[in-house]
Amino acid sequence: NAGVMQNPRHLVRRRGQEARLRCSPMKGHSHVYWYRQLPEEGLKFMVYLQKENIIDESGMPKERFSAEFPKEGPSILRIQQVVRGDSAAYFCASSPRGIGGNTIYFGEGSWLTVV
Amino acid sequence: AQTVTQSQPEMSVQEAETVTLSCTYDTSESNYYLFWYKQPPSRQMILVIRQEAYKQQNATENRFSVNFQKAAKSFSLKISDSQLGDTAMYFCASLKGGSQGNLIFGKGTKLSVKP
Repeated sequence: NAGVMQNPRHLVRRRGQEARLRCSPMKGHSHVYWYRQLPEEGLKFMVYLQKENIIDESGMPKERFSAEFPKEGPSILRIQQVVRGDSAAYFCASSPRGIGGNTIYFGEGSWLTVV
Repeated sequence: AQTVTQSQPEMSVQEAETVTLSCTYDTSESNYYLFWYKQPPSRQMILVIRQEAYKQQNATENRFSVNFQKAAKSFSLKISDSQLGDTAMYFCASLKGGSQGNLIFGKGTKLSVKP
């Protein structure tokens, strides 16, 4: 059973460009979470999605960031007009149901560098 | 706001010895979940151990065990017979009350196991 797959692993974007990060959850998992890790920091929650629904986006910046988890295909975290402060590791995680009763499994992260 | 505090930015231990990493948290919820994650140099987030607050018994996974003091809101991780492969950042996390997806992470403790 393949783990949580994220791509790209490393992404370099110039200021003002768009970044798209993809996450394929573990097989059978319908809950996806995105977290951001700034240098020397712990992970910070961004958004929690189920298929076609955003359940909790309380950690998402109000502007430039969006996330989706369509019926078919991977979950996408999209960052428009990137700035240097967006440089971070973005982790995706998945679970078969909400965390409370289950363990969530993290992917290996996508490292975004904005130059 | 819910918080998780790790007061030891860095620790070191000799191979085969025992080390304890501290974590305190603050929550107003009566039921919640606590986690320890390991992030080795590869940067992948790996679940080490999970504790359900309503369970009195401390969780144990092989060489890893926790000391869960609910009244004191303390959740320390003990690593016995430390191995070189245990060298990593260790993050304590709690599940935010009322949320199924919002893990709150501490800032981490960098553990070095010395030969």
